[in-house]
Amino acid sequence: NAGVTQTPKFRILKIGQSMTLQCTQDMNHNYMYWYRQDPGMGLKLIYYSVGAGITDKGEVPNGYNVSRSTTEDFPLRLELAAPSQTSVYFCASSRQGNYGYTFGSGTRLTVV
Amino acid sequence: AQRVTQPEKLLSVFKGAPVELKCNYSYSGSPELFWYVQYSRQRLQLLLRHISRESIKGFTADLNKGETSFHLKKPFAQEEDSAMYYCALSPYGGSQGNLIFGKGTKLSVKP
Repeated sequence: NAGVTQTPKFRILKIGQSMTLQCTQDMNHNYMYWYRQDPGMGLKLIYYSVGAGITDKGEVPNGYNVSRSTTEDFPLRLELAAPSQTSVYFCASSRQGNYGYTFGSGTRLTVV
Repeated sequence: AQRVTQPEKLLSVFKGAPVELKCNYSYSGSPELFWYVQYSRQRLQLLLRHISRESIKGFTADLNKGETSFHLKKPFAQEEDSAMYYCALSPYGGSQGNLIFGKGTKLSVKP
């Protein structure tokens, strides 16, 4: 009963490096989301997807890219890491738009 | 602008005391509202949705459109209620599923 699985849990990147944060769900949810949470702040939406092949920008998409080739996977790509991207990243999924989210455990990313 | 405000960063109460975690929202349409909770070393999880008018773990929340509030209440706090609580708003009638989160309130229940 995995739910939403995020990898890695922790990562330190150097400025300018790139990486992909992985997110997989096994609940056959159509909706998937990426949020970031800076210290003392609420979660802010980066990108979301309402189904395979469909993605759209959220509130803070700059510096990130996503793809949704399958229902299960929704990876988040950072192309040129910057210190401003130091944050905790959460992936989530939901069955429908107004249902509750199932969250992953989060990825703590530090860019130095 | 759509916004969720949780005015208290930290709320500390004694076991058995009533708890009220405040949430105010700014949204011109009909909102869908949620409370999420994160216990220590656990994932964020849904606590309750206003649309289902349910009571989970003794918590209830009533949507007050006049005051644009969705406060979370529990009559008798337990130590295991200690956690971070986030209020969230779903605009667009929930059709896209995007949530706008408040900054969260840390609830500490003392023995």
